Amino acid sequence: NAGVMQNPRHLVRRRGQEARLRCSPMKGHSHVYWYRQLPEEGLKFMVYLQKENIIDESGMPKERFSAEFPKEGPSILRIQQVVRGDSAAYFCASSPPGSGGATDTQYFGPGTRLTVL
Amino acid sequence: EDKVVQSPLSLVVHEGDTVTLNCSYEVTNFRSLLWYKQEKKAPTFLFMLTSSGIEKKSGRLSSILDKKELFSILNITATQTGDSAVYLCAVGVSGGSNYKLTFGKGTLLTVNP
Repeated sequence: NAGVMQNPRHLVRRRGQEARLRCSPMKGHSHVYWYRQLPEEGLKFMVYLQKENIIDESGMPKERFSAEFPKEGPSILRIQQVVRGDSAAYFCASSPPGSGGATDTQYFGPGTRLTVL
Repeated sequence: EDKVVQSPLSLVVHEGDTVTLNCSYEVTNFRSLLWYKQEKKAPTFLFMLTSSGIEKKSGRLSSILDKKELFSILNITATQTGDSAVYLCAVGVSGGSNYKLTFGKGTLLTVNP
């Protein structure tokens, strides 16, 4: 059973470009979460999605950031017009359905390290 | 605001030593506390502790939860170089935001041969 998959593992963008980060949850998992880890900081919750639904995006910056989890395909975290402050590691996690939410174990992917030049 | 504090921030030991990592928390409606090991890749799940399971053990690793004093410890005995990693503590809550994990900044453990 493959774990949570994220790609790309490393992404370099220039200021003003768009970044698209992809996450495929573990097989059978329908809950997806995105976290951001800034240097010297802990992981910070960004958004929680189920298939075709954004359940909570309270941790997302108000502008330029969006997330989706379509019926088919991976979850996408999209950052428009990137700035240097967006440089961070972005982790995706998933959990199985009926688990009651995130506090049942979340399994993490390897992360995408975004560098904005 | 929910808060999770880990200590020490970093620790250097020699192989064979025993280490204790600390995690204290201040959250509303505590539900669970999770430990993860993070190397240069995905945080790997180690333990989840709840009111119904306040002590867990797996091999050389063990963890306890003190709900009264609001902290948890992670013990690693007979450390090996492969234990070198950042150890993350996270807390989950009950209620409307029960899907959010609040993480501490982690403890960087370095085990020297």
